[in-house]
Amino acid sequence: AAGVIQSPRHLIKEKRETATLKCYPIPRHDTVYWYQQGPGQDPQFLISFYEKMQSDKGSIPDRFSAQQFSDYHSELNMSSLELGDSALYFCACKTGLAGDTQYFGPGTRLTVL
Amino acid sequence: RKEVEQDPGPFNVPEGATVAFNCTYSNSASQSFFWYRQDCRKEPKLLMSVYSSGNEDGRFTAQLNRASQYISLLIRDSKLSDSATYLCVVNLNNDMRFGAGTRLTVKP
Repeated sequence: AAGVIQSPRHLIKEKRETATLKCYPIPRHDTVYWYQQGPGQDPQFLISFYEKMQSDKGSIPDRFSAQQFSDYHSELNMSSLELGDSALYFCACKTGLAGDTQYFGPGTRLTVL
Repeated sequence: RKEVEQDPGPFNVPEGATVAFNCTYSNSASQSFFWYRQDCRKEPKLLMSVYSSGNEDGRFTAQLNRASQYISLLIRDSKLSDSATYLCVVNLNNDMRFGAGTRLTVKP
């Protein structure tokens, strides 16, 4: 079965650089969530989209922005990277706002040097 | 206080042992409940949803007590491959809240 695809899987950037993470949800899953997971931490919700509109916002820094496109894939744009942005970034998807279960992608490991 | 609290762990148990994880949540309006499993450096994977009537999937049993705002996961006859971090997840208005996770290590 098709799963959630994230790219790149690993990314190394320097401080103050920008990064773009991509998420391709499971076909027909129209709701996308972004999470940040630091070492030894639980996933922290950043932002979500339903039908290409932002549906909820969590602890996403102002330096980050995201959008969902017409094919339902989503991109997380990160600017002025800081050392503390080093983390695993997961994308999760589900069907509709009312659907229960979120399916996670494999994550992008971002390292900021 | 975190919205979802779990046993801190870690749990180190021998193969074949039975182990139980507990989780409490603070918002009584929470609507749905899950246990996810996360292996090191991997994504969380749904283990099972949790219902008030309790549900069982092989060696795994999950229970929900809405009155006490308490969720549990029981693993029987634990296997080496059960070693992972188990995340309690609570859904309120499509906002998924994660517990900090409980690490389980099953030893031969």
